[in-house]
Amino acid sequence: QQQVKQSPQSLIVQKGGISIINCAYENTAFDYFPWYQQFPGKGPALLIAIRPDVSEKKEGRFTISFNKSAKQFSLHIMDSQPGDSATYFCAASKDFGNEKLTFGTGTRLTIIP
Amino acid sequence: EPEVTQTPSHQVTQMGQEVILRCVPISNHLYFYWYRQILGQKVEFLVSFYNNEISEKSEIFDDQFSVERPDGSNFTLKIRSTKLEDSAMYFCASRAVGSTDTQYFGPGTRLTVL
Repeated sequence: QQQVKQSPQSLIVQKGGISIINCAYENTAFDYFPWYQQFPGKGPALLIAIRPDVSEKKEGRFTISFNKSAKQFSLHIMDSQPGDSATYFCAASKDFGNEKLTFGTGTRLTIIP
Repeated sequence: EPEVTQTPSHQVTQMGQEVILRCVPISNHLYFYWYRQILGQKVEFLVSFYNNEISEKSEIFDDQFSVERPDGSNFTLKIRSTKLEDSAMYFCASRAVGSTDTQYFGPGTRLTVL
């Protein structure tokens, strides 16, 4: 029940296209859903996060869509750029991020010219 | 911008040896975490630490692991007798008090157990 399932495992998108990564969770006690971006050899860096009281959050080219009833959330990267090529992890936490993060399995995104 | 730092960046050790991984969290943060990532796999929670005691630990965090905040700035993870399967990237994270703050991760220490 603590798992967060993430898909796809890898994704190739053309420059300028939209990248979409999906996550699903089971534990309804989760109330904080961040997305992390990780470059090779680096630690995860917070990209954007959402709480279940809103259905969408947008920051620049990055948007989280959240469906509480389906227990799913997704990351959309608009106008994808080669610099966006990285591994993306969704995560979930209880108590608005005060507790441990449970990570998804990661999506390796490659943006091709 | 303040950031979490970790040393060393890479540690190679022999099986059975003790290792200490060091972290300097962001200065006004009061919650500290260790996570690990086996090569190619997801990031896994090890332990959380607040007010000089462990708040929560995972099944991975057995008696071979310990954490300590020896002074006002460092946060350490000790593995008493390393095993081959302890080879992984170990990430320290810290978080400020308050409901709007998330966990900020350090660059990691790559531990290789031979």
